[in-house]
Amino acid sequence: NAGVTQTPKFQVLKTGQSMTLQCAQDMNHNSMYWYRQDPGMGLRLIYYSASEGTTDKGEVPNGYNVSRLNKREFSLRLESAAPSQTSVYFCASSEKVRGEQFFGPGTRLTVL
Amino acid sequence: AQSVSQHNHHVILSEAASLELGCNYSYGGTVNLFWYVQYPGQHLQLLLKYFSGDPLVKGIKGFEAEFIKSKFSFNLRKPSVQWSDTAEYFCAVTRANDYKLSFGAGTTVTVRA
Repeated sequence: NAGVTQTPKFQVLKTGQSMTLQCAQDMNHNSMYWYRQDPGMGLRLIYYSASEGTTDKGEVPNGYNVSRLNKREFSLRLESAAPSQTSVYFCASSEKVRGEQFFGPGTRLTVL
Repeated sequence: AQSVSQHNHHVILSEAASLELGCNYSYGGTVNLFWYVQYPGQHLQLLLKYFSGDPLVKGIKGFEAEFIKSKFSFNLRKPSVQWSDTAEYFCAVTRANDYKLSFGAGTTVTVRA
């Protein structure tokens, strides 16, 4: 099992460009999450999907959109990238409420 | 929204020293508690978790944590660290039946050989 996979691993964008971060899990988990990690701030939840067909905002959703494409895949889209979105983005999944979250390797995004 | 506080930003230790990292949360209801570790260049991995029962929880790699409900704390301990314990450690909290994890800012631990 690959667990949680993310693509790309690195990306550099110019201000105003758009891109989609991809996430997939092969553990048959119901819930999936997108976080951003910034120095001194830990991980902050951007969006989550409790189950296939549902998405909800987390702590810092502004400037992002998500799509739960199917049970395996959960993508994060930046429509118009800003330098403030320079960060490391992690996708995670969990089997159920209260469960342990399993994290992907992360995407390091730089917006110039 | 609940907050999670980790008291130390950076801890530097020598091998064989004991480690204790503090974690406090602000939510007063029933919570689930986690410690995650991120080794250099790697993704987050679960060290240990507490849902209910014995407040002293043992995790992987010799780590343990104690939940003290009256102090809203979940401190992480290891009696004798190794160089390979150099990593960033995150405390995380969620309410029972909630999907969302709230993370602390993290503590960077550097173990000198």
